[in-house]
Amino acid sequence: QKEVEQDPGPLSVPEGAIVSLNCTYSNSAFQYFMWYRQYSRKGPELLMYTYSSGNKEDGRFTAQVDKSSKYISLFIRDSQPSDSATYLCATLPGGTSYGKLTFGQGTILTVHP
Amino acid sequence: GAGVSQTPSNKVTEKGKYVELRCDPISGHTALYWYRQSLGQGPEFLIYFQGTGAADDSGLPNDRFFAVRPEGSVSTLKIQRTERGDSAVYLCASSPGTSGGSDTQYFGPGTRLTVL
Repeated sequence: QKEVEQDPGPLSVPEGAIVSLNCTYSNSAFQYFMWYRQYSRKGPELLMYTYSSGNKEDGRFTAQVDKSSKYISLFIRDSQPSDSATYLCATLPGGTSYGKLTFGQGTILTVHP
Repeated sequence: GAGVSQTPSNKVTEKGKYVELRCDPISGHTALYWYRQSLGQGPEFLIYFQGTGAADDSGLPNDRFFAVRPEGSVSTLKIQRTERGDSAVYLCASSPGTSGGSDTQYFGPGTRLTVL
C-alpha cells in the first residue's frame, strides 16, 4: 500500500462547477500537506501549503486537512478551463530538515467550456 | 526571472547505454532534489543535495544511478546501463534551503527519458 493514495480520475466537469479532489495517507508522522498543479509536459507547481489540520483558502482554492481521518482535500470553486491539469497531493513528516516529498499518483482534471 | 531548467527536454537511448541528465537550479538555491515520475504516477524522490553533498540518496533505485553537484549549483543525474524500466520523466526541483522542509520547491519541466 502506498503511503499517499489519490484517485487518479480522470475527472471531467463543466465550467463553473465546484471540484473536490482528495487524498488519504497512512503515515501519522506527516504534518505538512501540499497540493501541486501539473500541466501537460510541465513540472509541478505549488498551489497550496498547509501545516497540520485545518482549512486554508486562496482565491478559488481551499485546502482542508483532517488528521484524525488522514484525509486531505482540495476544493476548486467556479472552475475554469485553465484549471484543466493533473493535481498532485504531497506530504512531509513533521520536524523534517528538508523536503523529501511523498506524492499521490495525481488526479487528471478536465474543465470543459 | 529564470526558473529551474533541465536539459535535454527529451532523451531517447538504447538499452544498455549511458545517459546524463542536467539540472540548472534557481540561482542562490542551496537545496536541490531529483524525482522520477512514471506514466500515470506522482513524482518519486530520488536524491537530495544540500550544497555540494548528497544528504539523502535513499530514493536511488540501484547502483546504476548516480548524481553529482560538484560546485553546489548545476547537478547531473547519471544512469549507467539503462534499462527499459528506467523510462520516465526525471524532474529536478530546487529550494532556497533556508526553511528546512517547509521551503517551497520549484520544479523544472523535466527530462523525458525513453529507453528502447
